[in-house]
Amino acid sequence: NAGVTQTPKFRVLKTGQSMTLLCAQDMNHEYMYWYRQDPGMGLRLIHYSVGEGTTAKGEVPDGYNVSRLKKQNFLLGLESAAPSQTSVYFCASSYSELASWDEQFFGPGTRLTVL
Amino acid sequence: GENVEQHPSTLSVQEGDSAVIKCTYSDSASNYFPWYKQELGKGPQLIIDIRSNVGEKKDQRIAVTLNKTAKHFSLHITETQPEDSAVYFCAAKLGGTSYGKLTFGQGTILTVHP
Repeated sequence: NAGVTQTPKFRVLKTGQSMTLLCAQDMNHEYMYWYRQDPGMGLRLIHYSVGEGTTAKGEVPDGYNVSRLKKQNFLLGLESAAPSQTSVYFCASSYSELASWDEQFFGPGTRLTVL
Repeated sequence: GENVEQHPSTLSVQEGDSAVIKCTYSDSASNYFPWYKQELGKGPQLIIDIRSNVGEKKDQRIAVTLNKTAKHFSLHITETQPEDSAVYFCAAKLGGTSYGKLTFGQGTILTVHP
């Protein structure tokens, strides 16, 4: 099992450019999440999904969009990148609450710099 | 919503000493409290967790305690080793249908000196 994978690992964008971050999991998890990590602020939830075809806003959703067309993939899009979106982005997945398991499994992260 | 505060932000100890990291949460409806370890260049990984119906849980050199009345929980690492050096995050999850969403603390950078 590869677990949770993220592509790309690094990316540099110019202000106004767009890009998509891809997250994939092979654990058949229902729930998937996108976080951003900034120094001194922990991990903050951007968007999440509770199943294929569903998405919902987290704590800091502005400037981002997501899609979950397939159960194993969760895409994070930046339509018009801003320097404030410079961060490390982590994807995570977990079983549904019906399984009573709460552990979130994280990917290795994507370091994004917006100039 | 839930708010989690974590202290200290940095912690430096000598190998073999104990390390304690403390977190407080705001919502009494939270019922699940995991701790994650993040090594340099990697994603966070769960090291131990505790549910609200338990006061303490141990796993070898690490332990977590929970005080529901005071709404705080702590991570204890005994006999620290250099490989324990990492960033540690606490988190809390609300009960009910929260879709597994976690609220994280700000993180603690632990450095264990040989």
